[in-house]
Amino acid sequence: ETGVTQSPTHLIKTRGQQVTLRCSSQSGHNTVSWYQQALGQGPQFIFQYYREEENGRGNFPPRFSGLQFPNYSSELNVNALELDDSALYLCASSWGLAGSSSYNEQFFGPGTRLTVL
Amino acid sequence: GIQVEQSPPDLILQEGANSTLRCNFSDSVNNLQWFHQNPWGQLINLFYIPSGTKQNGRLSATTVATERYSLLYISSSQTTDSGVYFCAGPGSGYALNFGKGTSLLVTP
Repeated sequence: ETGVTQSPTHLIKTRGQQVTLRCSSQSGHNTVSWYQQALGQGPQFIFQYYREEENGRGNFPPRFSGLQFPNYSSELNVNALELDDSALYLCASSWGLAGSSSYNEQFFGPGTRLTVL
Repeated sequence: GIQVEQSPPDLILQEGANSTLRCNFSDSVNNLQWFHQNPWGQLINLFYIPSGTKQNGRLSATTVATERYSLLYISSSQTTDSGVYFCAGPGSGYALNFGKGTSLLVTP
């Protein structure tokens, strides 16, 4: 069984640039969620994708967007980077749809550490 | 979504000691997870425990859903147990809401 993988592991960008982070879900999982973790804080939910559609979003502006592909892998795109976007970005996969009877636990990838200068 | 509070925020133990970490939540839960975040940032699943008690080696967890709390027990702690421990419950929609974590340092 392959776990959740993320790429790249580290990334340095400058303000105003755009970035794309990638995530491959654990085999057998169809749902991907993205979280942002600032230094010293708990992860904050950005959004979730289920069957290639956004299915729930946290308190993040529209410049945070994403995609899910038919193989359930996912991308997180951030436009017009700001200094406060510097954080660890975590991807989690699960099977089914949270909140339904088929909800299962989420499993996290190793994260991408983004630094915005 | 529910609010999650964890205590204590910081904990320092000597190797071999036991500890109890607590997670209080603001409403009933149908999902509660405990994670260990290692120094490299990886969140490792410890328990998926919306209710009841589970054990895995030196770790065990108990969730009392009716009283809105969960406990994580670490026995005979080792230096490799160091890191941050998070509990997370259901947020709005389909999110996980995380607490602020308990930072554990186990010294030799």
